[in-house]
Amino acid sequence: KNQVEQSPQSLIILEGKNCTLQCNYTVSPFSNLRWYKQDTGRGPVSLTIMTFSENTKSNGRYTATLDADTKQSSLHITASQLSDSASYICVVSFRRGNNDMRFGAGTRLTVKP
Amino acid sequence: DSGVTQTPKHLITATGQRVTLRCSPRSGDLSVYWYQQSLDQGLQFLIQYYNGEERAKGNILERFSAQQFPDLHSELNLSSLELGDSALYFCASSVYQSGADTQYFGPGTRLTVL
Repeated sequence: KNQVEQSPQSLIILEGKNCTLQCNYTVSPFSNLRWYKQDTGRGPVSLTIMTFSENTKSNGRYTATLDADTKQSSLHITASQLSDSASYICVVSFRRGNNDMRFGAGTRLTVKP
Repeated sequence: DSGVTQTPKHLITATGQRVTLRCSPRSGDLSVYWYQQSLDQGLQFLIQYYNGEERAKGNILERFSAQQFPDLHSELNLSSLELGDSALYFCASSVYQSGADTQYFGPGTRLTVL
């Protein structure tokens, strides 16, 4: 069983709508959680990074939340745009640094006009 | 543009062959990571180097090896290639900020093994 589970696996929304992607993890001890956006065939781009003490982090229209007690994170996208169509990947790291990382399988978001 | 460069962009080879993928990190970044992403699969961490030394190993096969040179560029060597090695190979470099390492990914090398 993957230690980082993302849901939904895929999502289709209309342009301008909001959406929320989920990431649940079981890894411990927790160091940090990141959300990446990956366009098809391209390298992932970091959206947010949150450490244990942070429960929300924004990057433009992207807002990530973290509940370290329930080991859940969400990525909220507001006023979606066609360019938001991509895979969104949740990555959880153990302790400091990247020596131990667990990747979620990603959520494939499609924004339609 | 992340500042991380990878060459070649595409590589087509046959089973049993050996290839070398190259990565140049962002200026000033000491860490380099290698990842494999197969079709419809998630990213798999392979190996990390920091300032020329191996720092961490992930799911890297024995047929694969990597090194980081004094100028900090890195190479990933894949040998005795199999069909299943066909994938996108990403390199990333990182900088420590906001309490965590922020990774910047290169554009990837698409390897096709025929």
